[in-house]
Amino acid sequence: AQKITQTQPGMFVQEKEAVTLDCTYDTSDPSYGLFWYKQPSSGEMIFLIYQGSYDQQNATEGRYSLNFQKARKSANLVISASQLGDSAMYFCAMRAINFGNEKLTFGTGTRLTIIP
Amino acid sequence: NAGVTQTPKFQVLKTGQSMTLQCAQDMNHEYMSWYRQDPGMGLRLIHYSVGAGITDQGEVPNGYNVSRSTTEDFPLRLLSAAPSQTSVYFCASSNPAGGLNEQFFGPGTRLTVL
Repeated sequence: AQKITQTQPGMFVQEKEAVTLDCTYDTSDPSYGLFWYKQPSSGEMIFLIYQGSYDQQNATEGRYSLNFQKARKSANLVISASQLGDSAMYFCAMRAINFGNEKLTFGTGTRLTIIP
Repeated sequence: NAGVTQTPKFQVLKTGQSMTLQCAQDMNHEYMSWYRQDPGMGLRLIHYSVGAGITDQGEVPNGYNVSRSTTEDFPLRLLSAAPSQTSVYFCASSNPAGGLNEQFFGPGTRLTVL
């Protein structure tokens, strides 16, 4: 079984500051992928970034980076230079990497509010 | 490409009524799934399909039925709605063989059962 834990229900961050959203996971699968999704107030789920468990480098996508620490089982999302449009719910998710498996397990989310 | 579409956007049902939530994708994805989102609980997998004619249960399948007669469509049926099924429902699709890791989500259906 897989489990994702997001311990920050809500965060308030000043605009232009960097923010780190915490995510820890638990799995017995030897190969897995970690995802971050953004859900703005409009409700849609927006894919942000992906990290494979065997990837040598931490994933980056524009202002988003994933601080992957395999030994600690953590996959924190870092948003640099936060903007007002970053205010949203953020979900960490994972899936086992084996053929045909696309089942995602989600955390409970962190609500991020950017303060002008 | 429209991506993943869901209808309706909003629905109110009375306890015991049945209905079908529609989901369609135009990306020729083999994998499709249904999640429900409840406050404080993240998204939980209801049912999924790895291709036309093949479906399986997720984490919370009770009270829901699915079928997959075409690659494009994956409807979710509520046979006898209960207040506990009040939730936001998301359909998602992906192509495991395509090398991409992203699952594409529909805009969601907000369901209220009275």
